[in-house]
Amino acid sequence: AQSVTQLGSHVSVSEGALVLLRCNYSSSVPPYLFWYVQYPNQGLQLLLKYTTGATLVKGINGFEAEFKKSETSFHLTKPSAHMSDAAEYFCAVSSYSGGGADGLTFGKGTHLIIQP
Amino acid sequence: NAGVTQTPKFRILKIGQSMTLQCTQDMNHNYMYWYRQDPGMGLKLIYYSVGAGITDKGEVPNGYNVSRSTTEDFPLRLELAAPSQTSVYFCASSYRGGADTQYFGPGTRLTVL
Repeated sequence: AQSVTQLGSHVSVSEGALVLLRCNYSSSVPPYLFWYVQYPNQGLQLLLKYTTGATLVKGINGFEAEFKKSETSFHLTKPSAHMSDAAEYFCAVSSYSGGGADGLTFGKGTHLIIQP
Repeated sequence: NAGVTQTPKFRILKIGQSMTLQCTQDMNHNYMYWYRQDPGMGLKLIYYSVGAGITDKGEVPNGYNVSRSTTEDFPLRLELAAPSQTSVYFCASSYRGGADTQYFGPGTRLTVL
C-alpha cells in the first residue's frame, strides 16, 4: 500500500517569506506525485505534478517542488509568500503505479496561514 | 467547458434515508472518481470508474454504490444514510489514470442527523 505523510497540519509564515510544505511518501514502485491546493469551500486545483524526467517541477502561482528519491520526499516551496496563498495544501501519490486501485492517495493536508 | 459539476451543493439527511449525489463531466474523460473529505483526514477514495459500465471499489466503499451508464455521468448512491457518512464529497475525472491530472468538482456537503 502507498501512503503520504505531510509534516505539520498548520504552517504559518509572514508575507514575503519562504513557504516550505513537507511531504514524504512510501511506494514500492516509482511514484507519480501531486500537489493540490484547496481554497475555502472549493474543490481541489492542481498546483504541480511529478511523473518522470526532471526532478524539479514548476507549477502555477510561483510554486515548485523537488522529487528526491533517496529521501522519499516531494516538498513544496515558494520563495515569497503572498496573502492569496492562504489555503489548504494536499500532497498525493497515484495508486495506479502501485498496481492497486486507481485513484490518488492523499496526505492529511497542511493549512497554510499567511501573516501580514 | 463547465468541467466537473456536482449537485446538490448541500444536503441534510435523516438517518436511514437514501439519496444520490450527481456528478457530470464534459471533458470526455474516461476515468471518474468519488472521494470523501473529513476534517483533518485528507481525501479518501470511495469508488472509481475507468469507463462506461466499469466500476471498482476504492479504500472506503462500504455504504455506497455507483453506476456508470454514460461517459459523462457517475452518480454516487447512499442507500441507508448513517452519521458516519457526514462528509464533503468530491467527484473528479481524468482522461486516463496514473500520471494524468484529476479535475475536481466543487463538492457536496452532506450532513446526516
